Amino acid sequence: AQTVTQSQPEMSVQEAETVTLSCTYDTSENNYYLFWYKQPPSRQMILVIRQEAYKQQNATENRFSVNFQKAAKSFSLKISDSQLGDTAMYFCAFMLAGANSKLTFGKGITLSVRP
Amino acid sequence: EPEVTQTPSHQVTQMGQEVILRCVPISNHLYFYWYRQILGQKVEFLVSFYNNEISEKSEIFDDQFSVERPDGSNFTLKIRSTKLEDSAMYFCASKGGQGVVLSTDTQYFGPGTRLTVL
Repeated sequence: AQTVTQSQPEMSVQEAETVTLSCTYDTSENNYYLFWYKQPPSRQMILVIRQEAYKQQNATENRFSVNFQKAAKSFSLKISDSQLGDTAMYFCAFMLAGANSKLTFGKGITLSVRP
Repeated sequence: EPEVTQTPSHQVTQMGQEVILRCVPISNHLYFYWYRQILGQKVEFLVSFYNNEISEKSEIFDDQFSVERPDGSNFTLKIRSTKLEDSAMYFCASKGGQGVVLSTDTQYFGPGTRLTVL
């Protein structure tokens, strides 16, 4: 079974600064995907970024980038130029490659961006 | 941009009653999922559905729960004889297959239905 660990329950960052959210996972499989989802106070689940395990290049989406370390089974999210709208719960998630695979989520981290 | 929709946004019910949560997945998506999030906790997988049958279910998804795709657009989760501990946010998600819109490897979530059991 796959597990996802987010050990930091909450973090705080000053507006315009950079913050890194940590995530580790455990699997014996080689083909999988990793995701970061954002959950603002509205509780909607919004995809932030995804990474295919077979790709060595780290994924980037505007101000969001990941540091994917496959050997270490680490998948951290870096948010640059933090904005007040980034305040939310962030979930790291794992999914095996395959047509109908489910997502396995970590416990999440609450990020607060201070003005 | 296509999106997953869910109704109602909030459902309040009495313990022991049956509820049906509705979802309209993204058009032409083939894989459907239900997840649950108890307040303050992580999101948990309930069930996946493909080709009009359940593909996988978690230990949470017992006989109290059922899913159905009654027509070409809706995907429903029925909870029979609700209990206090069923109070949670329920998310529907869908994922594409070959040649359909958006990524085939990413699950897109609806806004959720907040279920409150009194």
